[in-house]
Amino acid sequence: EVQLVESGGGLVQPGGSLRLSCAASGFTFSSYRMSWVRQAPGKGLEWVANIKQDGSEKYYVDSVKGRFTISRDNAVNSLYLQMNSLRVEDTAFYYCARGGYNYGIWGQGTLVTVSS
Amino acid sequence: QSALTQPASVSGSPGQSITISCTGISSDVGNYNSVSWYQQHPGKAPKLMIYDVSNRPSGVSNRFSGSKSGNTASLTISGLQAEDEADYYCSSYTSSFTYVVFGGGTKLTVL
Repeated sequence: EVQLVESGGGLVQPGGSLRLSCAASGFTFSSYRMSWVRQAPGKGLEWVANIKQDGSEKYYVDSVKGRFTISRDNAVNSLYLQMNSLRVEDTAFYYCARGGYNYGIWGQGTLVTVSS
Repeated sequence: QSALTQPASVSGSPGQSITISCTGISSDVGNYNSVSWYQQHPGKAPKLMIYDVSNRPSGVSNRFSGSKSGNTASLTISGLQAEDEADYYCSSYTSSFTYVVFGGGTKLTVL
């Protein structure tokens, strides 16, 4: 079964850090560009970042540039999002998704809450 | 404000057809056939319904169709069913600094 499973979410104070992970299974992970998409509670979807198959190209939404880093380890079929200098407005469900600009496979999401 | 503009809500009765619009600019919808549509039920992850403007993934009902004219893409749902009630989002590749942009979402109510 093709599957993406996120982990690593939780409650963190403003200015803190968190690392999200996404474990892929059921498909050739190294063949796909991968992305992170977030959704604040009750709000719409927002694209966050994506990474090329070999990790050589990375793109970010302006609001997270310099604070978030996307990475991947094709040897263990995993995608990551290192989030530093977190802000209250980063509070959201974070989904990993297969693809660069259209996403046929999504994880179940992991909730990141930034609050004091 | 979202990069792509969608109506906040649309509604229709069972069996009817509805269309949701998604308006962008020349650097996204207007110049790229990379528009996708997603359906999201409450508490669930989004589901891809249409990709590359008008293509349906395997398993998606042929009641869902997509099109594009100029800077505006559209999702049409025919033969509305109760289970179609959900939020719908469009997205597009963009040549601006952001790689992908989403619409603000449209809540579909089946009356």
